[in-house]
Amino acid sequence: AQSVTQPDIHITVSEGASLELRCNYSYGATPYLFWYVQSPGQGLQLLLKYFSGDTLVQGIKGFEAEFKRSQSSFNLRKPSVHWSDAAEYFCAVKSRGSTLGRLYFGRGTQLTVWP
Amino acid sequence: DAGITQSPRYKITETGRQVTLMCHQTWSHSYMFWYRQDLGHGLRLIYYSAAADITDKGEVPDGYVVSRSKTENFPLTLESATRSQTSVYFCASTPSLQGRDTQYFGPGTRLTVL
Repeated sequence: AQSVTQPDIHITVSEGASLELRCNYSYGATPYLFWYVQSPGQGLQLLLKYFSGDTLVQGIKGFEAEFKRSQSSFNLRKPSVHWSDAAEYFCAVKSRGSTLGRLYFGRGTQLTVWP
Repeated sequence: DAGITQSPRYKITETGRQVTLMCHQTWSHSYMFWYRQDLGHGLRLIYYSAAADITDKGEVPDGYVVSRSKTENFPLTLESATRSQTSVYFCASTPSLQGRDTQYFGPGTRLTVL
């Protein structure tokens, strides 16, 4: 069965520090991969997505993610975190053969940013 | 250009009452979804719809009913609310099933069942 694991429930970083949020997936074949961000009281906004090709994907707000097939991982990174990045981050996957197009989500990582 | 909207944004109700959460999208997307978000579980799919009058169950459908008489609307009804249905509910839509198509999410409805 497909699954998405975000091993870190809560991460705290100082403003200006680098950030890496981990995501691992379990799937029969490489799925489509997504990172969403949810700011307090808001819906989910797509940060970036990976379909194929270059394994380093650039997203909005200065985020990037790297797909590593050998590790079944799709970790999200940002070189310098801003206070406004405090939010909850969700990794999600979608099967390439999906007849529905539904997403499977990880449990989320809550990011706190210290000033 | 409203995109996808949900109403109400906040709702408090009592056990046993019927509650309907509304979802409206202005893009004419064929596919629509309802998720619930609970601490420690991420988002779980309740119901989905491939088109008007075509709906089907997701992971956690028990206690919920959906309808889709018009493409743009996808209401979710809790026929007899229970405390375990206290959650944040998100509606989403996507234009097609092509892998590259992104799901777009509404702002969510926070439902509290007392």
